[in-house]
Amino acid sequence: SYELTQPPSVSVSPGQTARITCSGDALPQKYPSWYQQKSGQAPVLVIYEGTKRPSGIPERFSGSSSGTMATLSISGAQADDESDYYCYSTDSSGSHRVFGGGTKLTVL
Amino acid sequence: EVHLVESGGGLVKPGGSLRLSCAASGFIFTSYSINWVRQAPGKGLEWVSSISSSSTYIYQADSVKGRFTISRDNAKNSVYLQMNILRAEDTAVYYCARDRGSWYADYWGQGTLVTVSS
Repeated sequence: SYELTQPPSVSVSPGQTARITCSGDALPQKYPSWYQQKSGQAPVLVIYEGTKRPSGIPERFSGSSSGTMATLSISGAQADDESDYYCYSTDSSGSHRVFGGGTKLTVL
Repeated sequence: EVHLVESGGGLVKPGGSLRLSCAASGFIFTSYSINWVRQAPGKGLEWVSSISSSSTYIYQADSVKGRFTISRDNAKNSVYLQMNILRAEDTAVYYCARDRGSWYADYWGQGTLVTVSS
């Protein structure tokens, strides 16, 4: 079955740029979306179609991709950015959606 | 304003059944696909199933195929997840989320907890 691979954890100092990666064979054709999830809350969409930001999401959040790897970047990291982040996409057929395993971002 | 509200969760014994509902409001329901996504305690998100706007296309994760059935009633602005032959590993918070083309979900409900235990 299709998989998306994320690092389990990423740490960043306040004010620096955090980068969270997501790798998958179909990502060059099936652009991922990214979600922020704080403890006990529903996920929130922060990036869609690989690079687009929904209204209300700070410009500090951006998405990029190169080949089979996509990256969520958070510039000027703040304590409030500490969350779990998930990438989401589909296999090459478009019929099986999948989430990455999630990355816990720590700002310290 | 877009709202999605899940209901129907609870405690059920292994092998039992449960039907979850997702009530939608604030948008043209018949124009959107809907997803069910779950999250086991302390674990990551797992896509469960998707249904297109007119129920023409239905997709399911392999982990629930043959046990779970997604359906919708466009007259009631609702989507359902019928869960049969429940297992302990189905214990999770179940979210419904509005699907957009290009594989993203822009609005999510707050979730309903399903606990499978004897």
